[in-house]
Amino acid sequence: EPEVTQTPSHQVTQMGQEVILRCVPISNHLYFYWYRQILGQKVEFLVSFYNNEISEKSEIFDDQFSVERPDGSNFTLKIRSTKLEDSAMYFCASRPASYEQYFGPGTRLTVT
Amino acid sequence: AQSVAQPEDQVNVAEGNPLTVKCTYSVSGNPYLFWYVQYPNRGLQFLLKYITGDNLVKGSYGFEAEFNKSQTSFHLKKPSALVSDSALYFCAVRWALYNFNKFYFGSGTKLNVKP
Repeated sequence: EPEVTQTPSHQVTQMGQEVILRCVPISNHLYFYWYRQILGQKVEFLVSFYNNEISEKSEIFDDQFSVERPDGSNFTLKIRSTKLEDSAMYFCASRPASYEQYFGPGTRLTVT
Repeated sequence: AQSVAQPEDQVNVAEGNPLTVKCTYSVSGNPYLFWYVQYPNRGLQFLLKYITGDNLVKGSYGFEAEFNKSQTSFHLKKPSALVSDSALYFCAVRWALYNFNKFYFGSGTKLNVKP
């Protein structure tokens, strides 16, 4: 069964550095998402992406963040100038035209 | 504001007993409701959804959920719990008419099934 994949599984970076989290959505899906889950807290929506553009974003998704679908298969989340509070699990999700989203296993980002 | 609540941080149940994990949502338009399960160090796995139609929906692993519009609830149930059901369960809501792509997640409920 096709799955959403994410790399790396764990990323450690120093404060102020840029990171790129990578996702490969399920191939025939049309909508793509990023979520984050700070340890012990709820899953929070960051951004949705459709037809090569952002369709919706949360208040968390400020100028520090950007998303890209560079080659038709990968879907990336870039975080510029990381802060300690960016430490979290970041989940990618995708969905076809139907309603449910399919989540990847997540990337644990640790900012030191 | 749109929101979803899971009032219990943790639910404990003995294996073989029925289980219920509660979820309520704020009243605002027509909700699409979902349940996801998260095992340790894994992503969220889709269990079931309610979009329209029959209020009782059946999903993976023997789980079911009942949409109750008057009580704005979508509780997850299983007639007979298994130890392997122990995990973190998240309720999620989308609204049909606005913030269309945005899932709102509950805070999660940890289910402990004891042998």
